[in-house]
Amino acid sequence: GAGVSQSPSNKVTEKGKDVELRCDPISGHTALYWYRQSLGQGLEFLIYFQGNSAPDKSGLPSDRFSAERTGGSVSTLTIQRTQQEDSAVYLCASSLNYGEDTQYFGPGTRLTVL
Amino acid sequence: GQSLEQPSEVTAVEGAIVQINCTYQTSGFYGLSWYQQHDGGAPTFLSYNALDGLEETGRFSSFLSRSDSYGYLLLQELQMKDSASYFCAVNTGGFKTIFGAGTRLFVKA
Repeated sequence: GAGVSQSPSNKVTEKGKDVELRCDPISGHTALYWYRQSLGQGLEFLIYFQGNSAPDKSGLPSDRFSAERTGGSVSTLTIQRTQQEDSAVYLCASSLNYGEDTQYFGPGTRLTVL
Repeated sequence: GQSLEQPSEVTAVEGAIVQINCTYQTSGFYGLSWYQQHDGGAPTFLSYNALDGLEETGRFSSFLSRSDSYGYLLLQELQMKDSASYFCAVNTGGFKTIFGAGTRLFVKA
């Protein structure tokens, strides 16, 4: 595609529900990153994929968070039993390869947990 | 721990020059990047320094000193549209990119 796309753009859910966030990276980009950004804050690294593999999952905040990537393309970030502190903008980025200096960001998914 | 320090806010007037500093302490270092983010928008890439020295791209320049663990973003001929948040980020080489908390730049007429 022309750029990184994410869906949904906004998600409002009730505490305790599961949510699934989707990221479509730029076609041909092998590296994919998930970040979380709370209001007025910097970007918190969550997880990185090289192809379908996530070498380091230590950035995920808790075991309620999981992510997968299939076919070296689309990635989903799943949050189980959502909590109010999970409310944030979840940003996805991709780069041609890992270690490339430029990451291209999607518009983000704004998650609100009531 | 790993950290990047940058000022929280900077204010400057239109047409002026402003420098946003970033100091870092990370377990690994492959390079320093700068990103711009307008309110409600996604971060967009501005520049990358892997080696010491100054990189110039139009009105924006970025500097790195690896020995001092320090870099800065220089914005010249400021325009109102430059009002945004600016993030420095370190590629640690350990499958992680660490971002600073961001510097909010206010450009006044």
